[in-house]
Amino acid sequence: QVQLQQWGAGLLKPSETLSLTCTVYGGSFNGSYGSWIRQPPGKGLEWIGEINNSGTTNYNASLKSRVTISLDTSNNHLSLRLTSVTAADTAVYYCARGSVTSFWFDPWGQGTLVTVSS
Amino acid sequence: SYVLTQPPSVSVAPGQTARITCGGTNIADKNVHWYQQKPGQAPVLVVYDDTDRPSGIPERFSGSNSGNTATLIISRVEAGDEADYFCQVWDNTNDHAVFGGGTKLTVL
Repeated sequence: QVQLQQWGAGLLKPSETLSLTCTVYGGSFNGSYGSWIRQPPGKGLEWIGEINNSGTTNYNASLKSRVTISLDTSNNHLSLRLTSVTAADTAVYYCARGSVTSFWFDPWGQGTLVTVSS
Repeated sequence: SYVLTQPPSVSVAPGQTARITCGGTNIADKNVHWYQQKPGQAPVLVVYDDTDRPSGIPERFSGSNSGNTATLIISRVEAGDEADYFCQVWDNTNDHAVFGGGTKLTVL
């Protein structure tokens, strides 16, 4: 059974850079997208972006200027960097494996709560 | 940007059928996916491509998609089905994923 496990800093100050990493157990990102999705406390889901095995990325236009997603295929490490964070970036961040055919997400990582506060 | 509209809440008695809708312009032209999220947990895919179920998801979960409305159908609802449910599609125009606002299913 494929599982995703993620980790990274949970408390940031405004203007700092968010950095999270996710790895796959029991599978890989081959033939799929490595994706990041976030959920502000008590709110809905927002897609952040994705990367494929070739390194081609696609980002949510609202975050594009601040986001970098990378994938190290040698160890199946998917990474997210979000620069210049503000309180509005406070959310649970999830990694997920995305389908290349019709773009569903399965499975998801356990989530990491990132709080931005001075 | 493509917008998906879900009712904030749906209530159903145990053993009954729950129907959770997801509205969008000509949504029948898109593949709709549904996720279940229990408190403090990550979302889990329960229906993909309108009607298909991932391995391990009970047959009680099904879906439909027609016109401007997609529907997640949960038959013989159990207390353990109480959760938030999100629909999702791919917005081909803007090349990104879009989620509905979520529906809280309450089992009475």
